[in-house]
Amino acid sequence: EDQVTQSPEALRLQEGESSSLNCSYTVSGLRGLFWYRQDPGKGPEFLFTLYSAGEEKEKERLKATLTKKESFLHITAPKPEDSATYLCAVQAPYNTDKLIFGTGTRLQVFP
Amino acid sequence: DVKVTQSSRYLVKRTGEKVFLECVQDMDHENMFWYRQDPGLGLRLIYFSYDVKMKEKGDIPEGYSVSREKKERFSLILESASTNQTSMYLCASYPAGGYNEQFFGPGTRLTVL
Repeated sequence: EDQVTQSPEALRLQEGESSSLNCSYTVSGLRGLFWYRQDPGKGPEFLFTLYSAGEEKEKERLKATLTKKESFLHITAPKPEDSATYLCAVQAPYNTDKLIFGTGTRLQVFP
Repeated sequence: DVKVTQSSRYLVKRTGEKVFLECVQDMDHENMFWYRQDPGLGLRLIYFSYDVKMKEKGDIPEGYSVSREKKERFSLILESASTNQTSMYLCASYPAGGYNEQFFGPGTRLTVL
């Protein structure tokens, strides 16, 4: 069964304390892996798409990487405004339009 | 910028009421989706539509129906609301034929009393 698992469920960081969020997946023939940011009471906001193992993408303090089994979202020197829930989703090959979501990592960054 | 709007941010209804949630996108996307999001369960797909008047069941369609009469509008209908349908409802749209991200609306927080 296709599955996406995110860890940890919650992460508390001091401002400036770098860390990584994990997204492991089991899907045959990955078409794409997506990272979203979601603020409380709002819809998810797109961050990155990764398509193949070895690919990396960066945006400000965030860097996403992809292997054949997992993806990492690295947060370098986080600020309080980075506090949010980060969602990972994969696009399966048998239905190109459906996404399978993980349950997210809730990140809190304290000053 | 792609814009996906939902008719209400917050909605309170009573058990047994018929509830309509509306979603409109302005980028001529073929595909539209309805999800519900619950703590610890993540986003779960209710229904999706890849064209006008076309619809397909997602993972949890029971208790819901949908309508897509125009390309830009996708409606989610709760025929007889129940308390276990209290949730955050998210609409998304996506262009056909690609590896693109889905664009989400702001969500509707529905409470069924």
